[in-house]
Amino acid sequence: AQKVTQAQTEISVVEKEDVTLDCVYETRDTTYYLFWYKQPPSGELVFLIRRNSFDEQNEISGRYSWNFQKSTSSFNFTITASQVVDSAVYFCALSVSRDNYGQNFVFGPGTRLSVLP
Amino acid sequence: SAVISQKPSRDICQRGTSLTIQCQVDSQVTMMFWYRQQPGQSLTLIATANQGSEATYESGFVIDKFPISRPNLTFSTLTVSNMSPEDSSIYLCSVEDLLAGEGTQYFGPGTRLLVL
Repeated sequence: AQKVTQAQTEISVVEKEDVTLDCVYETRDTTYYLFWYKQPPSGELVFLIRRNSFDEQNEISGRYSWNFQKSTSSFNFTITASQVVDSAVYFCALSVSRDNYGQNFVFGPGTRLSVLP
Repeated sequence: SAVISQKPSRDICQRGTSLTIQCQVDSQVTMMFWYRQQPGQSLTLIATANQGSEATYESGFVIDKFPISRPNLTFSTLTVSNMSPEDSSIYLCSVEDLLAGEGTQYFGPGTRLLVL
C-alpha cells in the first residue's frame, strides 16, 4: 500500500523567510511519481511539480526548490524568501501504476502555510 | 495543460435529495477521476471514470451512492445520491494530462456542496 506523510500540519513564517515543507512517502513499487500541489484559499488545486522515481535531481523553479532523496523516501519542498501569496495548503502526492488500470494516486494530509507580512 | 470546468461551482441541498455534478474538459483525455475533500481534510479518490464502461470505485465508495457517467472522452458526471450532512464536501474532478508527464493530474475548480 502507498502512503504519504506530511508531518507538519501548520507552519507560520514571516515574509522573506525561507520555509521547507516535508514529505515522506511509502511504496514498494520501484516506478512511481511524486507531486506537489498548492491549494490557495480559493480552493483550486494548482500543480507545482512532478518527479519520477528514477530522477533524483533536485529542481529549482524561481523561489521554489525540491529535494528528492530516495534513501530517505523524502520529497521536500522549499520556498525561498516567502511571500504572503504563498499562503496556502500544500499537498504532496504519490502515484503508482495499477495492474489493471490507471494510477493509484495518494495525497498526503497537507501542510497549511501562513506567511505573515 | 487541460482546462477543466465543473458545474455547479457550489450548491446547498436538503438531505435525502441528489445532486449531479458535471465535469467538462477542453480536450480528449483517457483518464478522468472524481475526488472528495471533506472540510479541512485531504483529497480522497472516489472513483475512476471509464469511458464506455462502469466506473471503478475505491474502497468505501459504492455506485449506488455515487453513480458516475462517462459518455465520451471530454465529459463526466458524478451524482451524490440520497444526501446527508456528512456528504458536505468539495467534489473535484481531475484528468491525467500525459503532456505534463505520465501520472500528472490536473484538477477542476471543485464543487462545494453543503447538505442541510
